[in-house]
Amino acid sequence: QVTLRESGPALVKPTQTLTLTCTFSGFSLSTSGMCVSWIRQPPGKALEWLALIDWDDDKYYSTSLKTRLTISKDTSKNQVVLTMTNMDPVDTATYYCARTTVVTAYFDYWGQGTLVTVSS
Amino acid sequence: EIVMTQSPATLSVSPGERATLSCRASQSVSSNLAWYQQKPGQAPRLLIYGASTRATGIPARFSGSGSGTEFTLTISSLQSEDFAVYYCQQYNNWPPRTFGQGTKVEIK
Repeated sequence: QVTLRESGPALVKPTQTLTLTCTFSGFSLSTSGMCVSWIRQPPGKALEWLALIDWDDDKYYSTSLKTRLTISKDTSKNQVVLTMTNMDPVDTATYYCARTTVVTAYFDYWGQGTLVTVSS
Repeated sequence: EIVMTQSPATLSVSPGERATLSCRASQSVSSNLAWYQQKPGQAPRLLIYGASTRATGIPARFSGSGSGTEFTLTISSLQSEDFAVYYCQQYNNWPPRTFGQGTKVEIK
């Protein structure tokens, strides 16, 4: 059974750095082709893809946010970490992690999401 | 970057009726398109991939069609649990893996 769960602070201040952790089970990020992505959704708005890391430690980022994002993995802990620097109130959103692969490339399993509010 | 445009933004449908949702890509994505359903307070759920293949456990009343730049999600007979927001997503050319803006299916 595949599960993913996001964790991190519910509230961050403007200019701070956000660190989110995705802890997953039921698959391994050391399996060829396996990937984990981060996706966010501001309240009442659409989904926005942020970043992806694959089994080979290749990393891909949203063009508009790439200077602020870093994605990493700890295969032994079954975790993927996303950091986003210089947080702003417009970054207030629910942040999801989701499983995907380089072949299928759609998101077949999602975490429940974690709401991050940026406010002073 | 491929832009995905969904229409309409909101679709009002009576239970039991058919719903037809559209998704257009700014350039061809072949059949590399997925549809997701999202209910309030929940994560998106994969419905369709490969433009027309239902994901595991998805009822047969959901069907997808199209290729290239024009895609359709059809719900043949809306059930109460189908009222939700639906997103399309292309995965032909990435990064980024882009989503549409969503179509909200509401009760008429």
